[in-house]
Amino acid sequence: QVKLVESGGGLVKPGGSLRLSCAASGFSFSDHYMNWIRQAPGKGLEWVSYITGGGGTRAYGDSVKGRFNISRDNVKNSVTLDMNSLRVEDTAVYYCARDQGQGAFDMWGQGTMVTVSS
Amino acid sequence: ESVLTQSPGTLSLSPGERATLSCRASQIFSSAYLAWYQQKPGQAPRLLIYGASNRATGIPDRFSGSGSGTDFTLTISRLEPEDFAVYYCQQYGTSPGVSFGPGTTVEIK
Repeated sequence: QVKLVESGGGLVKPGGSLRLSCAASGFSFSDHYMNWIRQAPGKGLEWVSYITGGGGTRAYGDSVKGRFNISRDNVKNSVTLDMNSLRVEDTAVYYCARDQGQGAFDMWGQGTMVTVSS
Repeated sequence: ESVLTQSPGTLSLSPGERATLSCRASQIFSSAYLAWYQQKPGQAPRLLIYGASNRATGIPDRFSGSGSGTDFTLTISRLEPEDFAVYYCQQYGTSPGVSFGPGTTVEIK
């Protein structure tokens, strides 16, 4: 069964750090770019980051550049988002998503909630 | 940076009616990299259309996409009760990488 499962969300204070993980199963993981997308409560979707299949290229949205780092482990079939210097405005549900090609995200996890609050 | 705008913000329609949703980009880009998603409350988004006009696996044929350049359209030919949701367009390949439109809510009139 093709599946993405996120974990690692929780409550963190401003300035803190958090690591999100996404476990993939049921497909050839290394063949796909992987992405993180977030959604603040009651708001729209915001792309956060992607990493290419081999892990050699990464890109970030302007709001997280320099604070977040994406990585992947093609043996463990997982993608990780390390989030540093967290701000209140980083509060959101974070989804990982598979790029089927052409930048279209055909598989999404259920999301993990990150709350940044003092 | 390319920005996507969607109109209208909210569309109030009845089941059986036709819905036409617009997505406009601030810069020309390849239609190969334009996708549409549906999101219902409490759920992850679902891919509907990729490459501007290709239906994703399992998507009913009442959903269709069209457009090129900077102007794209998602059409739902006859609204079913399960189609009332928020719809997002998304582009890939323009700086910084990926962007989503703000969404159109299709609500029951």
